[in-house]
Amino acid sequence: DTEVTQTPKHLVMGMTNKKSLKCEQHMGHRAMYWYKQKAKKPPELMFVYSYEKLSINESVPSRFSPECPNSSLLNLHLHALQPEDSALYLCASSQEPPTAWSYNEQFFGPGTRLTVL
Amino acid sequence: KQEVTQIPAALSVPEGENLVLNCSFTDSAIYNLQWFRQDPGKGLTSLLLIQSSQREQTSGRLNASLDKSSGRSTLYIAASQPGDSATYLCAVKETSGSRLTFGEGTQLTVNP
Repeated sequence: DTEVTQTPKHLVMGMTNKKSLKCEQHMGHRAMYWYKQKAKKPPELMFVYSYEKLSINESVPSRFSPECPNSSLLNLHLHALQPEDSALYLCASSQEPPTAWSYNEQFFGPGTRLTVL
Repeated sequence: KQEVTQIPAALSVPEGENLVLNCSFTDSAIYNLQWFRQDPGKGLTSLLLIQSSQREQTSGRLNASLDKSSGRSTLYIAASQPGDSATYLCAVKETSGSRLTFGEGTQLTVNP
């Protein structure tokens, strides 16, 4: 299995809802990432998990809560979102975590299109 | 702070043409540069990864070059096809950090 899967593909939620995005990979990768992408803009890094531990949090608001239950699974819990949080949320994974002196190719999932009403 | 620029923002060509997409970056202290393809509303597909010590990489009809000293990379697509229509993003990984810095992409349309 050489792909990253994401569910759901589309999600519509109200500002008071609680929902979760799910990402899964079975490539034995030890780093997993969440990115946010607005229309016609490049992806923006949100979180990085390295060996199931949160290693990078790009000052993301607390209404986004990541979770890595095991090495294959990454969740993004959503609560009290704002309409401006509507975007494509991309998950990625890499063999090893990125460091200043190394880089492992990132493999991206198809994304979840989130709409906040 | 690293800045990555892609020109043009959009490009429309007839099928069969050879074309070049450009990517420039402000800080030449990069570890590598990666080209991605993104179809509308979809995830990113890695096309080519060039290490800082390399000058070019090839995959099928795609050829990417890197001139680190001048802060430039090009993606050459030979004999373009309608299926090549997508947004092409370049991203650099600096030697001083662990993150990718993306350009804003070039939206390519290949007309039959």
